[in-house]
Amino acid sequence: QQQVKQSPQSLIVQKGGISIINCAYENTAFDYFPWYQQFPGKGPALLIAIRPDVSEKKEGRFTISFNKSAKQFSLHIMDSQPGDSATYFCAASSVNTGFQKLVFGTGTRLLVSP
Amino acid sequence: KAGVTQTPRYLIKTRGQQVTLSCSPISGHRSVSWYQQTPGQGLQFLFEYFSETQRNKGNFPGRFSGRQFSNSRSEMNVSTLELGDSALYLCASSGGSYNSPLHFGNGTRLTVT
Repeated sequence: QQQVKQSPQSLIVQKGGISIINCAYENTAFDYFPWYQQFPGKGPALLIAIRPDVSEKKEGRFTISFNKSAKQFSLHIMDSQPGDSATYFCAASSVNTGFQKLVFGTGTRLLVSP
Repeated sequence: KAGVTQTPRYLIKTRGQQVTLSCSPISGHRSVSWYQQTPGQGLQFLFEYFSETQRNKGNFPGRFSGRQFSNSRSEMNVSTLELGDSALYLCASSGGSYNSPLHFGNGTRLTVT
């Protein structure tokens, strides 16, 4: 019940295309859903996060869509660029355990071809 | 503002030894969390410290321990190292309130031979 399932494992998108990564969870106590971006040799960096009281949040080219009833959320990267090539992790936590105790998905390796 | 600093960046130890990793959080951050990252298990939560007290703990054996000092700097210790402890150990700091986002360091790469 603590798992966050992430798909796909890897993704190749052409420059200018839309990258879509999906995550699903079981624990209905989760109420904070961040996305992290990790480049080789670096730690994960927070991209964008959403709470369940909104269905969508947009920051620049990055959008989170959230479906509470389906217990799913997804990251859309519009106009994907080669510099977006990285590994992306979805995560979840709850106010009960604190946002510092994140449960991570398994990661998606994104390659944006020039 | 300086980011989260982890030292050392790389470490090679022998099975059975112990190791101590260090983390300096972002100035003003009172919470420090530790995560283990491996290709097989992904990112897993180890523990979190806030104002020198362990506030949260993951499902790791007692060989994994940590502490936090009054200046919010934190150390993580792994005793009786096993081959399976080879991983990237990530430290993250946050403001400490329940909805404060995590800011990760670049990690310490531990190799156990």
